[in-house]
Formats: sequence, structure tokens, C-alpha cells
Amino acid sequence: DAKTTQPPSMDCAEGRAANLPCNHSTISGNEYVYWYRQIHSQGPQYIIHGLKNNETNEMASLIITEDRKSSTLILPHATLRDTAVYYCIVRVALSIDKFYFGSGTKLNVKP
Amino acid sequence: EAQVTQNPRYLITVTGKKLTVTCSQNMNHEYMSWYRQDPGLGLRQIYYSMNVEATDKGDVPEGYKVSRKEKRNFPLILESPSPNQTSLYFCASTPRGYLSGELFFGEGSRLTVL
Repeated sequence: DAKTTQPPSMDCAEGRAANLPCNHSTISGNEYVYWYRQIHSQGPQYIIHGLKNNETNEMASLIITEDRKSSTLILPHATLRDTAVYYCIVRVALSIDKFYFGSGTKLNVKP
Repeated sequence: EAQVTQNPRYLITVTGKKLTVTCSQNMNHEYMSWYRQDPGLGLRQIYYSMNVEATDKGDVPEGYKVSRKEKRNFPLILESPSPNQTSLYFCASTPRGYLSGELFFGEGSRLTVL
């Protein structure tokens, strides 16, 4: 029972904004959305997370729709070093605490 | 430096030879978990632990054991490894609770079972 759905790959021109979508239509009201990225086979790197409000940090912005069924990760000025697999994750933390990983989107940033 | 440390980073072994992959974190986190990553299948959770002496199965626990005797350590045990356990393994930790923020990952352990 996949909690998140992501496109398998996307291209983006260097210097332009990269917008990575994620569908999480079955998310519950108390479940958080996290985004991570993985470069080659390194350990996944945290980017951002949120519940229902839009969030921004030094790396990216997270836009969550009002109904919370989908979200978009925005890298405002993509560089070649942003080429990676980006994972959208739903965190369930009630009596259990689980992170449900999507299959990821391979972002290719091109010169 | 805050970190999750896994050992070994690379291991080649043979079918049936018991092995342990260690995981240690220095951030006093309650929650720790193990994932395996296979091509085309993303990251799948093997086991997780919400605190000392509290472990639970993830999505793919068959063939694995874990223990949590101390807060900082969460070893992954393969009692009788088989070739289908050839994979890239990640350990991760985080404080409990919604406001705890990120899940910290180790650098990974690449295991090959012949």
C-alpha cells in the first residue's frame, strides 16, 4: 500500500527552478510529509518536512495543497550538484513510528 | 559531530555464514531503524525500534533479527544469509515525536552474499 507516488524521472535546466511533485492522496491529518534526496548510493539527505503549511529553508520550499493530497518540492535555482534521486515520504507517528518511502524521482539537472 | 555509524561498509560473505552489521548513533535518539535498498524498489524498512528493548517488524523482516539493548546501538543480524539478501543497507535514527525533524542516515553497508 504505497502512500506516495512520484514520477520516475524529470529534467531541469541549470539555474532554473525544479518542481518535483508527489501524490499522497491517502494521507491522514496527523501524518507529515518529508523530502529526502540521495546522491548515488550515499545515505539519504534530509531536505525539508511539513504538515499542512508551506515550508521553506535554505535548500528548498515545500508546497502542500490545501487538501493535503499532494505536495511539490521546489529547488529554486537548480545546480548540477542537485542531480539526485528525490524521495517523498509520509511519516506516521502514533502508536508506531514509520516512514513510508516513495519510489523516488531521478532529477537530472542539465547545463 | 552528530552521526550514525555503520560497520562494515562493504562485506562479501557466503550463504549460511552468520553476520552482524552494527549501527551506532551519538545523538541520544530513541528511534532507530534499518532499511534495505534494491534497484527499482527504493528503500524498504526491515525493522525499527522506538526505544530500548522495543523493536518491531517493518515491511521486509524475513531473514533478519535485531536487538536494542542500549539506546545508541541497533545491530542487524543475518543468522543464515542467502543471496536474496544481497543489498545496500541503511541504518537511521531520529528523536521520537512529530516535531523531531529529520531522520539521520548512516552511509550504508553494501552486502554481497554468494
